Amino acid sequence: AQKVTQAQTEISVVEKEDVTLDCVYETRDTTYYLFWYKQPPSGELVFLIRRNSFDEQNEISGRYSWNFQKSTSSFNFTITASQVVDSAVYFCALRSFAGSARQLTFGSGTQLTVLP
Amino acid sequence: ETGVTQTPRHLVMGMTNKKSLKCEQHLGHNAMYWYKQSAKKPLELMFVYSLEERVENNSVPSRFSPECPNSSHLFLHLHTLQPEDSALYLCASSPRLAGQQDTQYFGPGTRLTVL
Repeated sequence: AQKVTQAQTEISVVEKEDVTLDCVYETRDTTYYLFWYKQPPSGELVFLIRRNSFDEQNEISGRYSWNFQKSTSSFNFTITASQVVDSAVYFCALRSFAGSARQLTFGSGTQLTVLP
Repeated sequence: ETGVTQTPRHLVMGMTNKKSLKCEQHLGHNAMYWYKQSAKKPLELMFVYSLEERVENNSVPSRFSPECPNSSHLFLHLHTLQPEDSALYLCASSPRLAGQQDTQYFGPGTRLTVL
C-alpha cells in the first residue's frame, strides 16, 4: 500500500523566516514519482514540482527548494525568506505502480500561515 | 481560457435536487479525474477517465454519476445527495493515463454545500 504522511498539520512563521514542510512516504515500488502542490485559499491545487525516484539531486527554484532523501523516504520542501503570499495548504503526493497506477496518493496537507 | 476550468465555483443544493458540475480542460490532455476534498481529510480520488472511457471508480455512491462526452469535458451529475457530501470537488487532467511521471493539473474546484 502507498502512504504519504505530512505530520505537520499547521505551521505559522513570521515573514522572512525560512520554513521546512516535511513529507514522508511509503511504497513498495522502486520506481515512483513525488509531487508537491500548493492550495491557496482560492482552492486550486497548483503544481510545484515533480521528482522521480532515481533522481536524488536536490532542486532549487527561486525561494523554493526540495530535499529528496531516499534512505529516509522523505521529500521535504523548504521556503526561504517566506512571504505572506506563501500562506496556503501544501500537499505532498506520490504516484507509483503499486496498487492503482492512476492514483495520486496525497498527504493530509500542511497549512502554512506567514504572518506580516 | 487556459488550464482547467470548473463551473460553478460554488453550489448550494437541497438533498432532493439534481445538479451537475462541469470541468473543461484546455491542455490537450487525454485523462481526466474527479477528486473530493472534505475538511480535515486527504484528497479522495473518485473517478478516472481516459479518452472518454471510465477506467476507475473508487467505490463512489451511485448518487454521483460522471460523464465524459469528449476528452476535454467532464461532468459530475449529482442527485439525492447527503449533507456529508458537502466538500470541494476538484477536477484534474493529465497528458496520459498510464504515464507515471505525468503531472496532474487541477481546476479551482466547486465548493458544494448540501443542505
